[in-house]
Amino acid sequence: DGGITQSPKYLFRKEGQNVTLSCEQNLNHDAMYWYRQDPGQGLRLIYYSQIVNDFQKGDIAEGYSVSREKKESFPLTVTSAQKNPTAFYLCASRAWVAGSNNEQFFGPGTRLTVL
Amino acid sequence: AQSVTQPDIHITVSEGASLELRCNYSYGATPYLFWYVQSPGQGLQLLLKYFSGDTLVQGIKGFEAEFKRSQSSFNLRKPSVHWSDAAEYFCAVGAMDSNYQLIWGAGTKLIIKP
Repeated sequence: DGGITQSPKYLFRKEGQNVTLSCEQNLNHDAMYWYRQDPGQGLRLIYYSQIVNDFQKGDIAEGYSVSREKKESFPLTVTSAQKNPTAFYLCASRAWVAGSNNEQFFGPGTRLTVL
Repeated sequence: AQSVTQPDIHITVSEGASLELRCNYSYGATPYLFWYVQSPGQGLQLLLKYFSGDTLVQGIKGFEAEFKRSQSSFNLRKPSVHWSDAAEYFCAVGAMDSNYQLIWGAGTKLIIKP
């Protein structure tokens, strides 16, 4: 089955540690996204990538980093510089359709808790 | 600037009753419009989308939404809710000039009374 996988589902981190969240898709989608979700808030865009080896900052990129070395993979690193990293993180992907802002498909999410 | 407003943070309806979730957007041209649903601790699932054409769109799980340009709205409806519809619902807007990003509403949490 095609889809997006995120691992791990739950992640615990000590303060001062970097941690990397995995996102893999086998949908052959060009674009990939990382969102952060906090209780009572909508989705806030962290980073996005429209092609391999290229990515752009979203609205809340500070304290995060990404890479896009392969089309199917878009890992997110939460660095120690992120002041309040406890949140639910969602990865999404989208097929590139010329002239269309078509829908995004989402993974199941990773809940990160800083101890 | 583009924006999306979901005026209701929570909505409570009885099982079997009808449902309407509101979504208003701000955008100059005709946007791409989406409704997603999220169960607790899960990712988001697309319910339906509007790009062009018929302004009444049908989605999965018996949901429908109507695009009203004059009111800048894209409200989600279901004639009879089931307990399994309890979830959070997000409206999103996309535009060609937004670098293919989506602008998200804050979500509406649907609570079903037995």
